[in-house]
Amino acid sequence: QSALTQPRSVSGSPGQSVTISCTGTSSDVGGYKYVSWYQQHPGKAPKVMIYDVSKRPSGVPDRFSGSKSGNTASLTISGLQAEDEADYYCCSYAGNYVFGTGTKVTVL
Amino acid sequence: QLQLQESGPGLVKPSETLSLTCPVSGGSISSSSYFWGWIRQPPGKGLEWIGTIYYSGSTYYNPSLKSRVTMSADTSKNQFSLKLSSVTAADTAVYYCARGYSYDWYFDLWGRGTLVTVSS
Repeated sequence: QSALTQPRSVSGSPGQSVTISCTGTSSDVGGYKYVSWYQQHPGKAPKVMIYDVSKRPSGVPDRFSGSKSGNTASLTISGLQAEDEADYYCCSYAGNYVFGTGTKVTVL
Repeated sequence: QLQLQESGPGLVKPSETLSLTCPVSGGSISSSSYFWGWIRQPPGKGLEWIGTIYYSGSTYYNPSLKSRVTMSADTSKNQFSLKLSSVTAADTAVYYCARGYSYDWYFDLWGRGTLVTVSS
């Protein structure tokens, strides 16, 4: 059960859009709709931002959106804001859970 | 407002057993709508799923940790627990307990986390 692959870091200026990829296999990301994304600020617990590939929990800004194509899921943050600077992790459920390697988003 | 808070020793000796509990306040762990899990994060590293326990008592563990992990639930105390045996320095991490939503299989509520250091 290998960790899902994410880019180590992405960055963007305020107002821009950034996209984080999450690559797995047909046994996890590609085979199921249960992909979720978590935001983690330093020293804090993770917070769910997206579940079921593209659904947003109540209270999560609509600037956050998710999608999936084949074995790769993506999280897009539109209209980047300073408070979006954090680490982001994808997670796939396929009987067991596997998290991604994590991506640091920097707001320039 | 449901809350979770990890509880247990912050320092464990190598080869011993790490034991943590997660009391749940503001809601019942017996609800079929939810499940309960443990996730850990070594310092400066990513998240790793440890295991999950369902209201039925069924448990599922990370295959890489399965031989050393035991999870249980105590409905009378409304809490669930984690035991990890034969620990080494590689088990040093922040341990989170979390609630999962059964219908969409994601973790919707997390505890604050507790740092457990394995050292003699």
